[in-house]
Amino acid sequence: GAVVSQHPSWVICKSGTSVKIECRSLDFQATTMFWYRQFPKQSLMLMATSNEGSKATYEQGVEKDKFLINHASLTLSTLTVTSAHPEDSSFYICSASRHRGNNQPQHFGDGTRLSIL
Amino acid sequence: GNSVTQMEGPVTLSEEAFLTINCTYTATGYPSLFWYVQYPGEGLQLLLKATKADDKGSNKGFEATYRKETTSFHLEKGSVQVSDSAVYFCALSEVQGGSEKLVFGKGTKLTVNP
Repeated sequence: GAVVSQHPSWVICKSGTSVKIECRSLDFQATTMFWYRQFPKQSLMLMATSNEGSKATYEQGVEKDKFLINHASLTLSTLTVTSAHPEDSSFYICSASRHRGNNQPQHFGDGTRLSIL
Repeated sequence: GNSVTQMEGPVTLSEEAFLTINCTYTATGYPSLFWYVQYPGEGLQLLLKATKADDKGSNKGFEATYRKETTSFHLEKGSVQVSDSAVYFCALSEVQGGSEKLVFGKGTKLTVNP
């Protein structure tokens, strides 16, 4: 159990377009979802934390208007990269937890590779 | 703030060799510690974890012991296989704003040759 699915797995688009990435918990309800960004040969950097029904909490340095996060239901969160540019190219990974608080394991999706031309 | 430092890779070993990947951390309080594995083109999978000092996490032949005195959580495996080739991330948990967040090290790429 605890499967998290991301879609699409790879997307290529032109500069200036907006791209939406979906993160779904397939067999559990996710109170909290996390969005990470991973640069080549680098670690995962947390971008934002979203709790179902609340606004997302963004990490310092992450532009809220650039990376729109919606946690519409207990099984779905979306990340929209608005007006994407080549520097937004990266590997985006989501994770989901059943509950908020301590010792709640995060279950990771397989990631989305975003390439902006 | 909290941070994780792990040995830089890449690490290349022959099959059946002994593996150690060092990880040290800086944290206030007593975080839980984790090792995650990332296979090519995939997301992260939890490999093992330890929630308090002197705990040993183990899975698939990998082990790591939570050492509070040295603030370390080194990953070890006695005999690696080709299928262990992946990137390994050490991480700790911290609680902010009611949510538990993970802080990751930079990752260590392991390649095991037959």
